[in-house]
Amino acid sequence: EVQLVESGGGLVKPGGSLRLSCAASGFTFSNAWMSWVRQAPGKGLEWVGRIKSKTDGGTTDYAAPVKGRFTISRDDSKNTLYLQMNSLKTEDTAVYYCTSWIAAPLNWFDPWGQGTLVTVSS
Amino acid sequence: SSELTQDPAVSVALGQTVRITCQGDSLRSYYASWYQQKPGQAPVLVIYGKNNRPSGIPDRFSGSSSGNTASLTITGAQAEDEADYYCNSRDSSGNPLFGGGTKLTVL
Repeated sequence: EVQLVESGGGLVKPGGSLRLSCAASGFTFSNAWMSWVRQAPGKGLEWVGRIKSKTDGGTTDYAAPVKGRFTISRDDSKNTLYLQMNSLKTEDTAVYYCTSWIAAPLNWFDPWGQGTLVTVSS
Repeated sequence: SSELTQDPAVSVALGQTVRITCQGDSLRSYYASWYQQKPGQAPVLVIYGKNNRPSGIPDRFSGSSSGNTASLTITGAQAEDEADYYCNSRDSSGNPLFGGGTKLTVL
């Protein structure tokens, strides 16, 4: 069964840091381009960033609101994706989903994890 | 512009057909993908590419595209189809971009 399981969410103060993890199983994680997508309470989906497979260069890219503060990494030996979040702001409060991104030639996200809630509040 | 525009809310009578649309310049170059999200759950891919359904998605879901508009059609809507629906394409940098979502109510 293809599965993504996020962990690491919680309550953090503004300016603080948090690291999310996403454990993958049921597919060849090392070949996958992975993304983080977030959803603020009552709002829509927002792409956070992505990391390519090491075969394709392993590079990262980020949405403007998080660039310079968030870092995506991967450990293919552990089938795990990470999101390091620094200098957190109240507007980063959201459920964070990990998902595999099929980028080309088409464009879709599948599967998705169940999400982990990050709350940034003093 | 790098935006995907969806109607905030749409309703359909049980068993009838409903079309949910997504407008944006990037749709002239990229196919949309569509996601269903029920309250408290993660999004689920329902349509990708020209008109492809992942395994397990009922064939009452279909996709189409014309110019700068992509559409998700549900033919014979069921009560369990009541959910939020999001389209996805790319922005001008080639990065993923989501529409604002459409809340579908089945009456």
